This record gives sequence, structure tokens and C-alpha cells, in this order.
Amino acid sequence: DTAVSQTPKYLVTQMGNDKSIKCEQNLGHDTMYWYKQDSKKFLKIMFSYNNKELIINETVPNRFSPKSPDKAHLNLHINSLELGDSAVYFCASSHFTNSYNEQFFGPGTRLTVL
Amino acid sequence: KNQVEQSPQSLIILEGKNCTLQCNYTVSPFSNLRWYKQDTGRGPVSLTIMTFSENTKSNGRYTATLDADTKQSSLHITASQLSDSASYICVPSGGSQGNLIFGKGTKLSVKP
Repeated sequence: DTAVSQTPKYLVTQMGNDKSIKCEQNLGHDTMYWYKQDSKKFLKIMFSYNNKELIINETVPNRFSPKSPDKAHLNLHINSLELGDSAVYFCASSHFTNSYNEQFFGPGTRLTVL
Repeated sequence: KNQVEQSPQSLIILEGKNCTLQCNYTVSPFSNLRWYKQDTGRGPVSLTIMTFSENTKSNGRYTATLDADTKQSSLHITASQLSDSASYICVPSGGSQGNLIFGKGTKLSVKP
């Protein structure tokens, strides 16, 4: 009964390909996020969706397109993959408040672009 | 510019010993600060969350302190265990959307 799950855990692909990463949460949260953790280990937010509406969209290439079919899912589609896209991508979810906004993270998807 | 600096970058201690990890941040506006534990190959897990009005918060053997005036926080681990080996990340947040600003983390190794 994993709270936030991601698939796949590992993804190895060639430059130029299009790939998707799926995320699901069963916590009843209304907000979901995508983060990127690069080789320097910094976690940076990419997108945030609240009740299926985009509320945060950091400076991310438009090759990255999040899709939220419902409040429990936030998938990340990446077009024309580049070497620099290699990283670990984390999905997270929370009840959105201005005070705590405690976020629960998934196990991560390690993307390697060859 | 929002920044988070953690020290030390890495730390090795013997099982049973205590340690303290430091965090300096410049985040404005500031609303709260949390410490996360990230095991290798896993997602971060929240240890403590403190608002700007809280000075200390404990979670078992983990005790976090916060000085919002000097923009410093620390995480003290008591009687360390092998399972404490992980990266500990300081995460202040603020702004209207409560964006989390992640530090690079301190990598702690606990040896038997």
C-alpha cells in the first residue's frame, strides 16, 4: 500500500526519444509535484498541480509536459530527450496549505539518456 | 536569491555517538523549515517541520532547532544507529505558493 508510487523505477533510452513517467498517490491529497534531482543532488521543483490545475511551472523546457487526468495521478511526458535530462525524477503529493504543505515523495525514477 | 547552505558536506561517526548538522539559508519571504532524510535510492522523508515562530522540534532521536533571526537551523541526532546513514536535507520554504528550496544535503555515514 505504497503512498506515492512511480513507474518505471529505471528508464534507459536514446537521445531524441519520447518517454513518460507515471505517478499515483493514494493519500487523498489535492496537490502533486514533479521534482528533478541532478548529479549535484539538488532537488528542484519542476511542476505543481492543485486539483488538476497547474499552479507552479518553473523554468522547464517545453519538451516536458505534465498531464493530470485526475487528482490522484500526475504523469510526466518528455519529448526529444537530451543527455542533460539524465537525472532522478521524484513525484510528490500534499494537502496544499500555506503553513506546512508537508510533501510525501515517491521512490524516484532514474532516467538515463544515452 | 534563495539559497541554502549545509555543513558539513559529509560526516562519518561511530554508532552510538551524537552529531549535529548545520543549515544556513536566505529565503524570503520565509514561512517554515523542514528537515528531510533521504536514503540512497529512495525519496526524501520528512523528519521535522517548524514554522518561523518555533525554536525547536523533536522527532524521536532527531531534534531540530531554528533561529529565524539569524536564518540558521540545526539537526541533532542522538545515539546514532546504522540506519541513520543517509543524506539529511534542509528545506526552507516561503512565498505565496510555499515553494520548497532544497539544500544539497549532508551525507551521514554511521559506522559500527
